[in-house]
Amino acid sequence: NAGVTQTPKFQVLKTGQSMTLQCAQDMNHEYMSWYRQDPGMGLRLIHYSVGAGITDQGEVPNGYNVSRSTTEDFPLRLLSAAPSQTSVYFCASSYAGLGYTFGSGTRLTVV
Amino acid sequence: DAKTTQPNSMESNEEEPVHLPCNHSTISGTDYIHWYRQLPSQGPEYVIHGLTSNVNNRMASLAIAEDRKSSTLILHRATLRDAAVYYCILMYSGGGADGLTFGKGTHLIIQP
Repeated sequence: NAGVTQTPKFQVLKTGQSMTLQCAQDMNHEYMSWYRQDPGMGLRLIHYSVGAGITDQGEVPNGYNVSRSTTEDFPLRLLSAAPSQTSVYFCASSYAGLGYTFGSGTRLTVV
Repeated sequence: DAKTTQPNSMESNEEEPVHLPCNHSTISGTDYIHWYRQLPSQGPEYVIHGLTSNVNNRMASLAIAEDRKSSTLILHRATLRDAAVYYCILMYSGGGADGLTFGKGTHLIIQP
């Protein structure tokens, strides 16, 4: 099992560009979520999903969109990148909320 | 949501036990206590969770106070690889669908 796979690992964007951060899990987990982590801070929840076709907003959803067309995939879209979105992004999945498995993260820099 | 309070940082020596405290005085009866840790430049990883009784697994032990207002994560014999930020998180029974709420955690430093 690969667990939770995030791509790309690193990305540099120009202000105003859009992009999609990919997240895939092969554990048949229903729950998936996206977080951002700014330097020296804890993780903050962006969006989450409890199953295919169902998504909801977390603590810091502005500037991000998500969709969940399959159980395996939960992509995060940045609509128009801003320097304030420079951060490390983590995707996670869980079976029934027990023991979330996290990906290795995407380091995003917006210039 | 019930909140947790952890020390900002702790320091310990390699091969010694480490006790990481967490206060959660407003915990409700259905809240589970979860611990995650984040090694440098990695995503968080699940460590352990419990409700009322003490719990053990291959990574650590979780000691829960009788009144459940505090808990302690115990690393029995710390190694350099245990240097990480440790997060104590409350999750109500049947919850977790809406993700995890992270605080700032405790930065554990292990001295060789």
